[in-house]
Amino acid sequence: EVQLVESGGGLVNPGGSLRLSCAASGFTFTTYSMHWVRQAPGKGLEWLSCISSSSGHIYYADSVKGRFVVSRDNAKGALYLQMDSLTAEDTAIYYCARQALFGFDPWGQGTLVTVSS
Amino acid sequence: DIQLTQSPSFLSASVGETVTITCRASQGIYNYLAWYQQKPGAAPKLLISGASTLQSGVPSRFSGSGSGTEFTLTISSLQPEDFATYYCQQFSAWTFGQGTKVEIK
Repeated sequence: EVQLVESGGGLVNPGGSLRLSCAASGFTFTTYSMHWVRQAPGKGLEWLSCISSSSGHIYYADSVKGRFVVSRDNAKGALYLQMDSLTAEDTAIYYCARQALFGFDPWGQGTLVTVSS
Repeated sequence: DIQLTQSPSFLSASVGETVTITCRASQGIYNYLAWYQQKPGAAPKLLISGASTLQSGVPSRFSGSGSGTEFTLTISSLQPEDFATYYCQQFSAWTFGQGTKVEIK
């Protein structure tokens, strides 16, 4: 079964850092680009970042550029998102997703990040 | 940057009705568009890719059409399990529309 499982969310103080992980299984991780998407409470979906299969191409949304860093470990089948300088506006559920031809499929179940003092 | 505008933002419909959601792109995006369904407390689910390709396991009452700047998602004979929020996404830069919430009338 193709599966993505996020972890690493939690409560963090404003200005703090957090590292999210996404464990992939059931498919050849090394052949897919991967993405991070978030959803603030009661809001829509916001694309954050993409990393190509070999990490040769990396893209960020303007809202997180310079603060978030995406990486992957193909040997471990893992995707990461290092988040620094967090603010209340970063409070959201964070999803990882696999890029299919013209769609994200599947998505993980999400991990909640709450930025609050 | 390419913007996606979905309409309507909210839709109230009855079981059995046919509903249509529109997604307009600020620039042409060929057929590089996907549609997702999201139910409360769940991750989004890919319904349609490449503007019109129905994903495996998705009921045939869902259909997508369009190219360039205007796209539609049609749900024929709405079922109780279809009440959810729907998002379009463009694959020029992966951004999403603002969503359309479909609720029971």
